[in-house]
Amino acid sequence: KQEVTQIPAALSVPEGENLVLNCSFTDSAIYNLQWFRQDPGKGLTSLLLIQSSQREQTSGRLNASLDKSSGRSTLYIAASQPGDSATYLCAVGGATNKLIFGTGTLLAVQP
Amino acid sequence: KAGVTQTPRYLIKTRGQQVTLSCSPISGHRSVSWYQQTPGQGLQFLFEYFSETQRNKGNFPGRFSGRQFSNSRSEMNVSTLELGDSALYLCASSLDLVPLGGEQFFGPGTRLTVL
Repeated sequence: KQEVTQIPAALSVPEGENLVLNCSFTDSAIYNLQWFRQDPGKGLTSLLLIQSSQREQTSGRLNASLDKSSGRSTLYIAASQPGDSATYLCAVGGATNKLIFGTGTLLAVQP
Repeated sequence: KAGVTQTPRYLIKTRGQQVTLSCSPISGHRSVSWYQQTPGQGLQFLFEYFSETQRNKGNFPGRFSGRQFSNSRSEMNVSTLELGDSALYLCASSLDLVPLGGEQFFGPGTRLTVL
C-alpha cells in the first residue's frame, strides 16, 4: 500500500530564505508526482507535475526533483516571500489509479 | 480557459438530510475526481468518473455516490448525513484517467457543515 509522508509538518522561515520541502513515498512504482499548494479554506493549486521518467521540473522560483529509486521528491523554493505562505502537498499517482496525498507541510514566511 | 468550478461553495445541513454537490471541469477534461478533506484524515479519494462511468472508488460507505453527465459535469450525493461528513469536498479534473491524464486541476471546494 502506497504511503506518502511529508517532513517537516510545519516550517517557519524569514523572507528571502531558500527552502526545501520533502516528500517520501513507500512504493517506487509510480507514474507521476504532483506538488500543490493550498491556502486556508481554499482548493488546491497545482504547482508542478513530474512524470516518472523525469528527474526535475522548474517553474519560476520553484524546482521539484524526483528520485524514484529512493522514494523521494523535494520542492525547492528560492527567495521565499510572505505570499508563499500556505500548505504544500505532494501527491503520487501510481498503480491504484488515484492520487495518494501526503499530509502536507505548513509553510510560514515571516516578513 | 475557465478553471474547475464547484457549487455551492458553502452548505449547512442537519443530520439525516441528503446533499448534492456539483462540479464543472475544465473544458476538454474528461475525468472528474472527488476528494474529501478533513483536519483529521487529510485528503481522501472518493471516486473518479470518466465518460459517464465510475472508474475508481475510494473506501467510503454507499451513502456517497456520484454521477457524470455527457458534458463531463459531475455531481456527488451524500445521503443520510452524519456529523462526520462535515468536510471540504474538492473536485478535480484532468484530460484523461488518473494518473495517465497528467496534471489534476482542483476547484475551490464546497464546505459542508452538518449540524
